[in-house]
Amino acid sequence: KQEVTQIPAALSVPEGENLVLNCSFTDSAIYNLQWFRQDPGKGLTSLLLIQSSQREQTSGRLNASLDKSSGRSTLYIAASQPGDSATYLCAVRPAAGNNRKLIWGLGTSLAVNP
Amino acid sequence: DAGVIQSPRHEVTEMGQEVTLRCKPISGHNSLFWYRQTMMRGLELLIYFNNNVPIDDSGMPEDRFSAKMPNASFSTLKIQPSEPRDSAVYFCASSFGEDNEQFFGPGTRLTVL
Repeated sequence: KQEVTQIPAALSVPEGENLVLNCSFTDSAIYNLQWFRQDPGKGLTSLLLIQSSQREQTSGRLNASLDKSSGRSTLYIAASQPGDSATYLCAVRPAAGNNRKLIWGLGTSLAVNP
Repeated sequence: DAGVIQSPRHEVTEMGQEVTLRCKPISGHNSLFWYRQTMMRGLELLIYFNNNVPIDDSGMPEDRFSAKMPNASFSTLKIQPSEPRDSAVYFCASSFGEDNEQFFGPGTRLTVL
């Protein structure tokens, strides 16, 4: 059974720092992995989607990597800003079988302090 | 595009009442997902539709929950009768193809007293 874990649950950093958020999954047979951002009281915004054949995806100051063999993905945020404060969730889609729905982590709550 | 639209944004009701949540997916998307989010359990998929047909409703908690998608631009999630433990934020998401990137609505915050 696929399980997704995000550690730490919460992170607080000063503005300008580069940081890494971690996502681990137990079954390497995945179709894709997606990173989302959720602001308090708001919906989820898709940040990056990495297909199983890809190693990384970049969007602006964000870079997501994927290492299927070790069951890990990281979201790198460069030069963090207070506006990056939010909860970041990762979700994994299994590669095969009848149950192809996204498996979600509980998220990392990020606070970037000015 | 306006994105995924959900209504109402907030709902407060009393135990035993019927609650109907509404969702309009992004135009052109053919997959629609209903999620529930709580602090304790995180995000849970309740049900999803492909081309208006329910594909997987294994996440629906019990018979009190039902969902419909009468056409490509509208879906409802109904709880009858509602209970305090149903209090959560309910999200609707849509995608073009069930395996592709999902786009979420702003959610409905439901409080059952």
